[in-house]
Amino acid sequence: NAGVTQTPKFRVLKTGQSMTLLCAQDMNHEYMYWYRQDPGMGLRLIHYSVGEGTTAKGEVPDGYNVSRLKKQNFLLGLESAAPSQTSVYFCASCSTSGTDTQYFGPGTRLTVL
Amino acid sequence: GQQVMQIPQYQHVQEGEDFTTYCNSSTTLSNIQWYKQRPGGHPVFLIQLVKSGEVKKQKRLTFQFGEAKKNSSLHITATQTTDVGTYFCRLAAGNKLTFGGGTRVLVKP
Repeated sequence: NAGVTQTPKFRVLKTGQSMTLLCAQDMNHEYMYWYRQDPGMGLRLIHYSVGEGTTAKGEVPDGYNVSRLKKQNFLLGLESAAPSQTSVYFCASCSTSGTDTQYFGPGTRLTVL
Repeated sequence: GQQVMQIPQYQHVQEGEDFTTYCNSSTTLSNIQWYKQRPGGHPVFLIQLVKSGEVKKQKRLTFQFGEAKKNSSLHITATQTTDVGTYFCRLAAGNKLTFGGGTRVLVKP
């Protein structure tokens, strides 16, 4: 049982490049989330999903897209990376809604030059 | 929208001393959770509070939920170097989840 895994762990992009971050969970959780954490800051919600095939915008969705084609996977896409998207990205999952523990992945450290 | 304030932002503590961090919400909450993030790590769940006035303890950590369910506190006694990290509160109001900005704890040996 690996919990929540994220791929890749580190990535450096040039401005304008695109990439996809993959989050996978093996706990059969319905809810999945993507957060970004800037240095010394808290967690800001980018997008989330309440089940397979559904996605919704969070607090800071601009510049990102997501897809949840399979229940266990939640993909975060950057179509045209900008330096302002330099951050650590965390994926999290939980079984139902707000009363359950969120399990976080180890994070992806992204630098956009 | 839901506003959350977590104070202090930074806490420098002498090893062995006590300290408290607070989480305040502008709205009444369904529940509140606390997470700890070690430097370079990811947030890890500590505890959940649901009932008004609820108090829960985990060894040297004491968590309290306010009577009005709008605020919470985390008190750590006899701080150790293992307590280093950032402590986040996570608020839930219905299906809306919001993380506080965190209290970053540094321990002076």
